[in-house]
Amino acid sequence: GENVEQHPSTLSVQEGDSAVIKCTYSDSASNYFPWYKQELGKRPQLIIDIRSNVGEKKDQRIAVTLNKTAKHFSLHITETQPEDSAVYFCAAPGGAGSYQLTFGKGTKLSVIP
Amino acid sequence: DTAVSQTPKYLVTQMGNDKSIKCEQNLGHDTMYWYKQDSKKFLKIMFSYNNKELIINETVPNRFSPKSPDKAHLNLHINSLELGDSAVYFCASSRPGGAQHFGDGTRLSIL
Repeated sequence: GENVEQHPSTLSVQEGDSAVIKCTYSDSASNYFPWYKQELGKRPQLIIDIRSNVGEKKDQRIAVTLNKTAKHFSLHITETQPEDSAVYFCAAPGGAGSYQLTFGKGTKLSVIP
Repeated sequence: DTAVSQTPKYLVTQMGNDKSIKCEQNLGHDTMYWYKQDSKKFLKIMFSYNNKELIINETVPNRFSPKSPDKAHLNLHINSLELGDSAVYFCASSRPGGAQHFGDGTRLSIL
């Protein structure tokens, strides 16, 4: 099955700085890589995703890059704001079923005003 | 309208009881899921179901059983609740291979 490693587990940045979270996956057949943001007490919400036919995708202050050869993908948040503080999860398809996602263990991002 | 809705939001019960959590989605998705999020915030897939196929994660005890009366619903029934079952349970849905949309979660506490 798929194994997803996520680093770092915690990340503190000053407001306005950039934050980068990295994930690696094990199944070379994986072709879809979403990122979720979970605020305290709330549900995980999809913030951006990328498919394996592109190397980078950007949506305002958020970008995701994918390196299929190295089997890793990263989330980049620029000009961080206090409301970016949350737990971020990467995921990749795998596990027992083809539709299932295997999630990384999460990164707690704290943006210091 | 809430896309994926779960009830109840909170569930407090005693060890040994049987309980159910309901989930409904109005997105027209074919596949629904149940996840468990423990106190360390790890999100683990429990089941996926798409009308034709139920896939059970091998680590899920058989005290947990999903029941799907129709394509828009996937309920979770838990028998003989144990202390270790305390967690937040999330329902989600998606199109095949697409983004998963989560419900607001059910916080289960076992006394």
